[in-house]
Amino acid sequence: DAGVIQSPRHEVTEMGQEVTLRCKPISGHDYLFWYRQTMMRGLELLIYFNNNVPIDDSGMPEDRFSAKMPNASFSTLKIQPSEPRDSAVYFCASSPSSEQYFGPGTRLTVT
Amino acid sequence: DQQVKQNSPSLSVQEGRISILNCDYTNSMFDYFLWYKKYPAEGPTFLISISSIKDKNEDGRFTVFLNKSAKHLSLHIVPSQPGDSAVYFCAATGLNTDKLIFGTGTRLQVFP
Repeated sequence: DAGVIQSPRHEVTEMGQEVTLRCKPISGHDYLFWYRQTMMRGLELLIYFNNNVPIDDSGMPEDRFSAKMPNASFSTLKIQPSEPRDSAVYFCASSPSSEQYFGPGTRLTVT
Repeated sequence: DQQVKQNSPSLSVQEGRISILNCDYTNSMFDYFLWYKKYPAEGPTFLISISSIKDKNEDGRFTVFLNKSAKHLSLHIVPSQPGDSAVYFCAATGLNTDKLIFGTGTRLQVFP
């Protein structure tokens, strides 16, 4: 298996633009998680899905953030409009149980 | 409220010696603990875990110890190797949640 796939690996955008991050989980994993990593806060859980259904989005910082999982093999995290403080590394992880398997992350820079 | 704490942001150890990374937690409902390792420009990778019914779990050079009364766990790496240089995250979860709560990480550097 190729593992969790994220795209793009790097994204540089201007403040106010829409950003869409993509994730393909490991086949057969029922859970999908979106995290954000910053120096100040470490790894923060933004939202997670179980069988494509959002279960807990309490970590989503603002209404500017939204996530979808239209099917078992694809999820998106969208930021609209983006702001400089959204600059971080965003990880997607999938899991069959307690152990989560992370993708390589998307480094987002908002100027 | 930081439920999982790694109070040492960094640790430097000589190759061949033991590395001990520490983690404390506050939530008594946590019953499963994991350690992840992260290299630069990569996602965290699962390393080792322990259930609250055990106090020790060993996998090769890696051993995790759990002290439930103190709400403390530690990861021992013996012997340490330069390739172990990475950021190590402690994480915890409980019966009533699917979420992992991560600590802020400890950067381990193993020097020759």
